[in-house]
Parts: sequence; C-alpha cells; structure tokens
Amino acid sequence: GAGVSQSPRYKVAKRGQDVALRCDPISGHVSLFWYQQALGQGPEFLTYFQNEAQLDKSGLPSDRFFAERPEGSVSTLKIQRTQQEDSAVYLCASSVDTRGEQFFGPGTRLTVL
Amino acid sequence: GNSVTQMEGPVTLSEEAFLTINCTYTATGYPSLFWYVQYPGEGLQLLLKATKADDKGSNKGFEATYRKETTSFHLEKGSVQVSDSAVYFCALQGGSSASKIIFGSGTRLSIRP
Repeated sequence: GAGVSQSPRYKVAKRGQDVALRCDPISGHVSLFWYQQALGQGPEFLTYFQNEAQLDKSGLPSDRFFAERPEGSVSTLKIQRTQQEDSAVYLCASSVDTRGEQFFGPGTRLTVL
Repeated sequence: GNSVTQMEGPVTLSEEAFLTINCTYTATGYPSLFWYVQYPGEGLQLLLKATKADDKGSNKGFEATYRKETTSFHLEKGSVQVSDSAVYFCALQGGSSASKIIFGSGTRLSIRP
C-alpha cells in the first residue's frame, strides 16, 4: 500500500503487561512521528524521528514509553508495565522531511484493563 | 507554549446550512495552520492549510483564512452536506513548536438530511 500502516489495529492488554506497536511509514519518508489520542481529545505529540535519530521525545509521558526506528524505516513504540491511563489511540505519521505534510496511519487502539 | 483552542461540539446542522467552526491559537514565531478531518471509521486527513498571514486555505468547499491580528483560523463552508459529518481538528505546526503538530480538542459535526 502507499499509505502509512500500523499494527495491530486493536490491542487489549492487562494492566502491567508490556506492549509493542508497529508503524510502517510511506517509503522514502525521512520523518516519523508518534501521537497519542485519548478518547474525545485531539492527538498529542509523543516523539519524532529523522531517519534513525530520535530528535524529540519531549512528549513521552513517562519512562515506561520507549520508541525506536533502528534502520530509519519501521518504528516501534513500546509501553512497559501498561496502566489504565495508557488507553488511547496511538497514531503514527510520516513526512518527506521535517516540515513536510504529515500523513497519518489508521492508528492502534490500545485498551488496558 | 504554543496551543490551539477550538469551538466545542457537538455541532448539529441541517443539510445546506452555513458552517463556522471557530479556532484561535497562541504561538511564538510564524506557524503554519491546518484543519484536519476524521471521518467515521477512517484515519486523520489533512483538509486544508495556510502557511502565512492572510493566506486562505480551501478544499472541498471548506475555507479558512490565517488571521494574525486576531490569531484565528476559523473553518467555514457555505452549504454543508450529510457527507461532511466528521470530527474536525484545528492544528498548528512550526514556530517554537518546530516539527510537531499541536492539535485542538476537536469539534464533532453532524449534518441532518
């Protein structure tokens, strides 16, 4: 496909479990962003990569959140010891460069019980 | 820091009515402004954008003008259709926010036939 893809689309975790969310950006897009969208709210920035370099992680809410993009393409957002407040839709976006239009994936809906 | 405030919803209109969704922003520097739309069951899509003061963004009959003097970017459409029912997000990028997009909380629009 030509767009940004994310997997899984839905994830249910028990409190305390670790989860890993995957993002496949548009081929050739240098920049990759993660956002968290709580129910009824707008997306909030988590972190951003340019190629494999994580240039801004100021939005990660705690040290339980970790993101990587080791080869400058696919990215994984990992949440350790999930809590109920982590329940949200996690959106990935990619862009040609830092200031280009960001194209969003369909999101992963995480529910922590 | 930079922020976006938009009209709370839900907004319910009859088909062919005039639509305004208010959006104001606080920013340092010279951000770009956006309206994103999220149709039911779909991902976030860019609706329109404006990159500098007095620019007008337009798409699918929607318009918004970047007003620096009033720090506003109100979304308007002259005659709405049932297919416009969605959640609309005002957003900004750039200025002191660098690459990340800062979103408003969203306005849910429902159009009655």
